[in-house]
Amino acid sequence: DSGVTQTPKHLITATGQRVTLRCSPRSGDLSVYWYQQSLDQGLQFLIHYYNGEERAKGNILERFSAQQFPDLHSELNLSSLELGDSALYFCASSAPGQGPREAFFGQGTRLTVV
Amino acid sequence: GENVEQHPSTLSVQEGDSAVIKCTYSDSASNYFPWYKQELGKRPQLIIDIRSNVGEKKDQRIAVTLNKTAKHFSLHITETQPEDSAVYFCAAFRTGNQFYFGTGTSLTVIP
Repeated sequence: DSGVTQTPKHLITATGQRVTLRCSPRSGDLSVYWYQQSLDQGLQFLIHYYNGEERAKGNILERFSAQQFPDLHSELNLSSLELGDSALYFCASSAPGQGPREAFFGQGTRLTVV
Repeated sequence: GENVEQHPSTLSVQEGDSAVIKCTYSDSASNYFPWYKQELGKRPQLIIDIRSNVGEKKDQRIAVTLNKTAKHFSLHITETQPEDSAVYFCAAFRTGNQFYFGTGTSLTVIP
């Protein structure tokens, strides 16, 4: 186990709803990265937080938002869900001085929108 | 922004043969190119990477080559084994922590 914990593992929800995905980074890691993996879009970088501050944004929709809390865990909020938001959402974390290339992935949260 | 294309999308090889997966990128500012292996139902794992100041890197049966002029890089797996069966993703990274992934190649090694 890489030490990156994501909850829940599976989530099924209806269109139009809002969900929150949670990520706890490895002990000592300050960076958290969120990725979306879907069948049609592949693996996409969404957003990066470092010690509570947003550092980089990728292909993240306006309906999605994220934050990193003082205890360094992060939450990805997905609202007004659409069928196309069904995907595997990965969180990864890296230590101070390291970047996304050194990041370890969590096991992912599988979101199904029905 | 960056556009990373990956080919082929599926690849089947006989055990012991070599497998080659190719990626092209569009942003000349990209300077780091990792490859990830994702086994079924598992998380992506970094298997090898190459920086823009290097042309080739090897790690046992795995090698990556980079042609900066042509903006393409390739993953080479020699003496393939059934446990190499997985989906492989390439990615291009540039300063600013922007990561762009290829669409993945599903590799099947036939025993």
